[in-house]
Amino acid sequence: QKEVEQNSGPLSVPEGAIASLNCTYSDRGSQSFFWYRQYSGKSPELIMSIYSNGDKEDGRFTAQLNKASQYVSLLIRDSQPSDSATYLCAVSPLTGGFKTIFGAGTRLFVKA
Amino acid sequence: GAVVSQHPSRVICKSGTSVKIECRSLDFQATTMFWYRQFPKQSLMLMATSNEGSKATYEQGVEKDKFLINHASLTLSTLTVTSAHPEDSSFYICSASSGQGPRNEQFFGPGTRLTVL
Repeated sequence: QKEVEQNSGPLSVPEGAIASLNCTYSDRGSQSFFWYRQYSGKSPELIMSIYSNGDKEDGRFTAQLNKASQYVSLLIRDSQPSDSATYLCAVSPLTGGFKTIFGAGTRLFVKA
Repeated sequence: GAVVSQHPSRVICKSGTSVKIECRSLDFQATTMFWYRQFPKQSLMLMATSNEGSKATYEQGVEKDKFLINHASLTLSTLTVTSAHPEDSSFYICSASSGQGPRNEQFFGPGTRLTVL
């Protein structure tokens, strides 16, 4: 079982819709959870971090964390073509020092 | 967010030569820096973790004698690809973390695209 799992996609949504990206992780003791966006040919960019159960909103982005179910999700409201990218879920487990485990990413395509 | 720079952004070299890539944290002290490699349409692959002043920890399958990492200060880490070969052509990305407890956000540099002829 992979430590951080994401559906590779592509996830295709129309412009203006809500895009929902999901991620599950295996280490129950994980404490920190991150979402990164990576455009093709570019390096990842941190867009959200979440540390406690519940929702965290930042503009059009909402991160949701459920530690009991070991999943974290990212909602993008009013999706724009410029949101088309690969979204990486990342988890910092309790053990392993400062290493962060990245999922393989979900490709999102927002149709104009 | 914090700013991490990488230099060079792109390098083309002949097979057998060595290439050095620099990673700098510009506005914070990075106790930990990470080096990743990413092949086209593939996911990030962690190569090594380096802490300032100590030897890097390499991931399984990464040759430490081929990929030399030096983290000499809290703002600079370097990756040297020694005796590069065409199969080393890839996108190399560093990230830096202040390492302040479990909320250790990583901030990525813009990456270095290496092409070995």
